[in-house]
Order: sequence, then structure tokens, then C-alpha cells
Amino acid sequence: AQKVTQAQTEISVVEKEDVTLDCVYETRDTTYYLFWYKQPPSGELVFLIRRNSFDEQNEISGRYSWNFQKSTSSFNFTITASQVVDSAVYFCALSEKELGSYGKLTFGQGTILTVHP
Amino acid sequence: GAGVSQSPRYKVTKRGQDVALRCDPISGHVSLYWYRQALGQGPEFLTYFNYEAQQDKSGLPNDRFSAERPEGSISTLTIQRTEQRDSAMYRCASSLAQNYGYTFGSGTRLTVV
Repeated sequence: AQKVTQAQTEISVVEKEDVTLDCVYETRDTTYYLFWYKQPPSGELVFLIRRNSFDEQNEISGRYSWNFQKSTSSFNFTITASQVVDSAVYFCALSEKELGSYGKLTFGQGTILTVHP
Repeated sequence: GAGVSQSPRYKVTKRGQDVALRCDPISGHVSLYWYRQALGQGPEFLTYFNYEAQQDKSGLPNDRFSAERPEGSISTLTIQRTEQRDSAMYRCASSLAQNYGYTFGSGTRLTVV
């Protein structure tokens, strides 16, 4: 079973639309960390957010917001008023305690977001 | 340095040759990670270090893959007797501590022909 599932393979929106990227994870740990990364067409991986399992408060950063719901094991990402520059592949990732540490990230398959002008 | 530096950016090698991929992490970052990303996929964990100690190498596909970080700074990922299936983007990342957000390098695109 996938530990991190991003069910949406591709999403296409028109500029200024809001868009939500879904992420569902699976873990037996009570302490874990969740991440979102952006991979623009240039190919680099850009860190967006890190959230620990004890902090269920939603977070907003400019046009970006994240909704963490432990009850449904989801960590969804919403972009408000999307822009062409938001076009990228977005990855959700999970860090669990393995071999005594949290070093390893397990990534989802990614969601390709295309924002049309 | 200001960011995570990887070299070379591109490497084309013939099947059966050995390759060494280099990663220079952000100065002062304790943890260093190696990932492999196939086209259209998410990064896949290979191994990671805290300082010079290799903490987890469970993601290395087989014994042709090895990594070292002898002085707790620069790391080298070595692939021996390369095969076509080794072709991928190899990414290095570093972080201040193990569960902080990583900073990824630009990667090395390895093509085995």
C-alpha cells in the first residue's frame, strides 16, 4: 500500500481559480512529519512547508494554505487565485521514525498542476 | 556554500562503467540525504548521513550502490558496473537536523547507454 497517495495525477485550471491538491498518508506512528515540495519546470525541488503530527492548526502563507486533518489522514494544499507561475509538480511527503530517526522522506507520486492564462 | 551543490549536472556513461556523483551540502548542515527520481515519479530515498555516520542505507537498490561522507561534509554516491536501469536524476539534500525541511540540490542527471 502507498504510504503517501496523491490521487490527482494532473490538474488544469485557469488563472485566478482556486485549486486544492489532495494528499492522503498512512502511518502507525503517533509522531510524524508531513511536507509539501514544489518542482517547477526548471526541475529543482523547493520546500514549501513542514508540519508535525501534533499541530493540526491550518496554516496560511500568502496565497498558499494547508489543511491538516488527522481524522482522515489528509494534508491538503490549496492555492488561492492561482497564477501561471504556480504551474509545477507538487509533492507531498511523510517522515516517520525508522531505525530510531526521522531522516527518511517518503514522497507521493506528485500532482502536475497547469495554470493557463 | 549558499545552496546544495551537486556535480556533475549531467553524466552520460557506458553500461558497465563506474560513476561517482558528488554532493556538497550547505555549510553547517548535519544531515545529508541521497534520493533518486525517475521521470514522472516522486523522489525515492536511497541513504542518509548524520555527520559522517551513515544512518540508513535501506534504500540502496543493491550492492553496486554505495555512499560515503568521510569528513561529515561532502558526500559521494558511487554506482559500480552501471546498468541502463540506473538512469535517473540523483538528488542530494541537506538539513540542519533530521526532521527539518530539506534543501535539495539541482541533481545529477545520469544516463547509462
